[in-house]
Formats: sequence, C-alpha cells, structure tokens
Amino acid sequence: DAKTTQPPSMDCAEGRAANLPCNHSTISGNEYVYWYRQIHSQGPQYIIHGLKNNETNEMASLIITEDRKSSTLILPHATLRDTAVYYCIVRVNTGNQFYFGTGTSLTVIP
Amino acid sequence: ETGVTQTPRHLVMGMTNKKSLKCEQHLGHNAMYWYKQSAKKPLELMFVYSLEERVENNSVPSRFSPECPNSSHLFLHLHTLQPEDSALYLCASSQEGWGIDEQFFGPGTRLTVL
Repeated sequence: DAKTTQPPSMDCAEGRAANLPCNHSTISGNEYVYWYRQIHSQGPQYIIHGLKNNETNEMASLIITEDRKSSTLILPHATLRDTAVYYCIVRVNTGNQFYFGTGTSLTVIP
Repeated sequence: ETGVTQTPRHLVMGMTNKKSLKCEQHLGHNAMYWYKQSAKKPLELMFVYSLEERVENNSVPSRFSPECPNSSHLFLHLHTLQPEDSALYLCASSQEGWGIDEQFFGPGTRLTVL
C-alpha cells in the first residue's frame, strides 16, 4: 500500500520552477522520502531522497516539513524533458520494498 | 553495456506459450527486483532477490516463475499467461546495505498476451 498522497496531475511552464507536493502523514521516524520519475514507456529514474533535512542535487531540491508529514520536490528550471510521472515514496525501513503509488503526471508546457 | 538491461524489449505471446524475460545488471549490485506495471496502475512489486535468495514474493500467481542464477542475472519465466497479464515488466537492482539502497531500473519489457 502506498503511504503517500500526490495530486494526479500538474502543469508547469518551461523555464519556471515546478513544485510537486507530497503528503506522507503516517511516516515513521526512521523512514526516508524518495522521489523517482518515469518518463513515458521507460523505467523509473531516481531523483533524490531525504530523511528530515532539505536536500539538493543536480536534478532537484527536496524540502521536507519539520513535522515530516509532507514534502515538496522542486525542479528549479523545468524543461520539456522533465515531462514525466513523479513518484513520492516512503521507504519501509526493513526489507527492500518501494511502494510507488500513482504519482503526479507533470506536463511542462512550452 | 552499462546499468540494467532487459531483453526482449517487446514480446507478444499466446496463452499457451512459454517464454522468459531476462534482466542483467552491470552495477555490481546484490539485490534484484521484478515489477509489473499495468496500464493506469501503480508499479507492483512482484519478486525481490537479495544475494541470490528470494526474500519477497508478493502473492504473485504461479504462472510467473523467477530465477536468479547469480547476482547479475534475473529471469522471469512465463507460462499459460492470461490477457490481463499484459503489462510493462520492469527489472531493477540495488546495493543492499544499511541505509539507502537506491534502485536502478531497466527499460522494461512490454508484454502482450493474446
């Protein structure tokens, strides 16, 4: 069962920041938040993950609220190639299970 | 080859056929996974292998039979499938350890059962 809630779809203008929200109100203290994306007909691609501090890498930034009940993935300058389904995942601490849910379909508009 | 590769990329089979999907990872990882992605549905974890031992089987029908002969290869043997088994089958690998084990996915095999 997916432990996260995401809006089903979003649009973003090319060159603008895309902010993708995720609710994970039942997250446990030792569970990480992961973000993956899946471009049409390809395998999912890892983007970023975090525990409680904000994280940034070459692809995106992850902002986690202080109570850890929600997070936001930020793509600072969205391009057309960022059009994909974005999955927010809370990783179960034991075992290797990732529950992907239905994600947010992001469309970057020229 | 780098990353995770899957063959074939597309497969059409009848309900009485037997076929196999192959996955190979070139990342030195010690865990491999099969996922199923049906149209308009979330990815479903089917099987997990860690150190070549099956550690997870999420109630998958017996017409799907996984095999992991070594840490680099993973197979999914298919027999007497149903049309509802048509889906994208994704393989992934990761390096198990304490903390974060990011999964790397292959491109998938698009399976159509007639």
